[in-house]
Amino acid sequence: AQSVTQLDSHVSVSEGTPVLLRCNYSSSYSPSLFWYVQHPNKGLQLLLKYTSAATLVKGINGFEAEFKKSETSFHLTKPSAHMSDAAEYFCVVTPVNQGGKLIFGQGTELSVKP
Amino acid sequence: DAEITQSPRHKITETGRQVTLACHQTWNHNNMFWYRQDLGHGLRLIHYSYGVHDTNKGEVSDGYSVSRSNTEDLPLTLESAASSQTSVYFCASSESAAGGGYTFGSGTRLTVV
Repeated sequence: AQSVTQLDSHVSVSEGTPVLLRCNYSSSYSPSLFWYVQHPNKGLQLLLKYTSAATLVKGINGFEAEFKKSETSFHLTKPSAHMSDAAEYFCVVTPVNQGGKLIFGQGTELSVKP
Repeated sequence: DAEITQSPRHKITETGRQVTLACHQTWNHNNMFWYRQDLGHGLRLIHYSYGVHDTNKGEVSDGYSVSRSNTEDLPLTLESAASSQTSVYFCASSESAAGGGYTFGSGTRLTVV
């Protein structure tokens, strides 16, 4: 069965320092992988997606993620955190031949200190 | 502009009552989904539909039902609301079975007292 594990429930960084949000996936086949962001009391916004075209994926707002099949990881990074990055982040997998259903990780709350 | 809207944004209901949450999209997407969001669980799939008159159960479907009479709408019904169904509910639609092109609604916060 496909699953996603976000390794940290909460990450705190200082403004201007790098961000690393970790995600491991479990899938029998090459999945599609996504990162979504949810700001407080808001809906979900797509940050980036991996669909096997390139292992390093660039998203919006300076975020990027690298697909590493050998490590079954899809970690989200940003070189320099901004206060507006404070939000909940979800790693998501769409298994092959599952009709577009999304499987969500538990979420990582990112706090950014001034 | 195309959009996906949910209503109401907030709802308080009593245990045992029937409640229907609305979801309307103007993307002309065939695929529509209902998720619930609870602390520590991320979003979990309740029901989904791949087209008119098609409905399928998701991971946490007990106590919920949906119907799809047209492309635009997928209402979610709680047949007899329970306190365990207090949650934030998100509707989504997508154009692709590969998972791309997802659009989420803004969510409905439901409290069952």
